[in-house]
Amino acid sequence: KQEVTQIPAALSVPEGENLVLNCSFTDSAIYNLQWFRQDPGKGLTSLLLIQSSQREQTSGRLNASLDKSSGRSTLYIAASQPGDSATYLCAVSGNTGKLIFGQGTTLQVKP
Amino acid sequence: ETGVTQSPTHLIKTRGQQVTLRCSSQSGHNTVSWYQQALGQGPQFIFQYYREEENGRGNFPPRFSGLQFPNYSSELNVNALELDDSALYLCASSPTSTRNNEQFFGPGTRLTVL
Repeated sequence: KQEVTQIPAALSVPEGENLVLNCSFTDSAIYNLQWFRQDPGKGLTSLLLIQSSQREQTSGRLNASLDKSSGRSTLYIAASQPGDSATYLCAVSGNTGKLIFGQGTTLQVKP
Repeated sequence: ETGVTQSPTHLIKTRGQQVTLRCSSQSGHNTVSWYQQALGQGPQFIFQYYREEENGRGNFPPRFSGLQFPNYSSELNVNALELDDSALYLCASSPTSTRNNEQFFGPGTRLTVL
């Protein structure tokens, strides 16, 4: 059974700092991994999608990497801003087509 | 291009009642998935619909049922509501049911069961 874990559960950093969020999964037989952002009480905004054949994806200040063999992904946020404060969720897609989510990392960026 | 929309935004029901939640998929998308997100947790997969047929189901009881219409919009129905059904219900659409497709989420419906 696929399980997804995100560490840390919460993170508080000063503005301008570079940071890394971690995601691990137990079954390496995934089709893709997706990172999402969720603001309080809101839906999910897709940030980056990494196909199983890819190693990383970049969008602006965000960079996500994927190491299938070790069951790990990282989301790197450069030069963090207060507007980056949110919960970040990673999810993997297996052969059933459903997304399996971690519990998220809640990020606070202080001005 | 219109994104995924859901209605209503918020809903309050009492235990034992029935509820219907609605989702309109993004233009060009024929696959809709539903997720339940309890407070402080990651979303849990309920089921997926592809071209009006159920295409996979998570670990939810039969009182959770769904429909997909010819225009690919979808409904989630929950019968005999329980207190633990209180959650944010999220709908996601994707272009096809293949595993490699990115899923796009709507804003969710917050259901409170009293």
